Amino acid sequence: KAGVTQTPRYLIKTRGQQVTLSCSPISGHRSVSWYQQTPGQGLQFLFEYFSETQRNKGNFPGRFSGRQFSNSRSEMNVSTLELGDSALYLCASSKGTSGRNTGELFFGEGSRLTVL
Amino acid sequence: DQQVKQNSPSLSVQEGRISILNCDYTNSMFDYFLWYKKYPAEGPTFLISISSIKDKNEDGRFTVFLNKSAKHLSLHIVPSQPGDSAVYFCAASPQGGKLIFGQGTELSVKP
Repeated sequence: KAGVTQTPRYLIKTRGQQVTLSCSPISGHRSVSWYQQTPGQGLQFLFEYFSETQRNKGNFPGRFSGRQFSNSRSEMNVSTLELGDSALYLCASSKGTSGRNTGELFFGEGSRLTVL
Repeated sequence: DQQVKQNSPSLSVQEGRISILNCDYTNSMFDYFLWYKKYPAEGPTFLISISSIKDKNEDGRFTVFLNKSAKHLSLHIVPSQPGDSAVYFCAASPQGGKLIFGQGTELSVKP
C-alpha cells in the first residue's frame, strides 16, 4: 500500500513569490491535514480537508490556503512568501470517516521550503 | 497559545535504561492523546495512543501514562535502544477536533 506522497520534496523561493505544494494521500483515505514544522515550534496545524471541504483551520494568515480534489489529493498554497515561512510542510492522511480525525495520522516525508 | 507543551527539548539516556518523555496540556476538552516518533528526513510515525477513559496503555517497550487531574501524560520506553533515538511528539485532540502537537523532544540513546 503506497504511503502519503508529497511533492516537491525540496524547493527554494524568494520573498514575495508564491508556492504550491501537493499531497497524495493513502488510497481510501478521505481526510488530509497539513502541518508546518519549524525548530522550537513543533508541528503547527494549518488545515484539514475531508471530502473536498475544509473541516478545521489553524491560526495562520490568509496567505496560507488549501484545497482538496475529488480524488482526495490536496494542495496547499502560500502567497507572498516571507522569510519566516521557511519550514518543513507535512501532509498527513487518515480515513476520517467518523468526523473525528483522531487515531493514526499517516504522514508524508514533507516538503522542505526555503525562502531567501 | 500552546495547548500541548513538551518542556524538554532534548533528553539523553543510556542504552538499556528507561526513557521518560513528558507532555502537558491545558485544554480539558482533549480526550484522546497520541505519541509520534520522527526520524530525520522522514515524516512522523504513530507510536502509541491513549483515550481519556484510561490511565495507562502499553505496547511492548512503550507505555503511555495519562494523569487527567494534572493534565499530564508521559511516554516510558523500557529498555531504551539506540534505534529509539528520534524526535518524539505528543499530540492531543478534543472530540471532533483537530490534532494538536507539542514542540517535540529529541531523545538520544547512547550505547
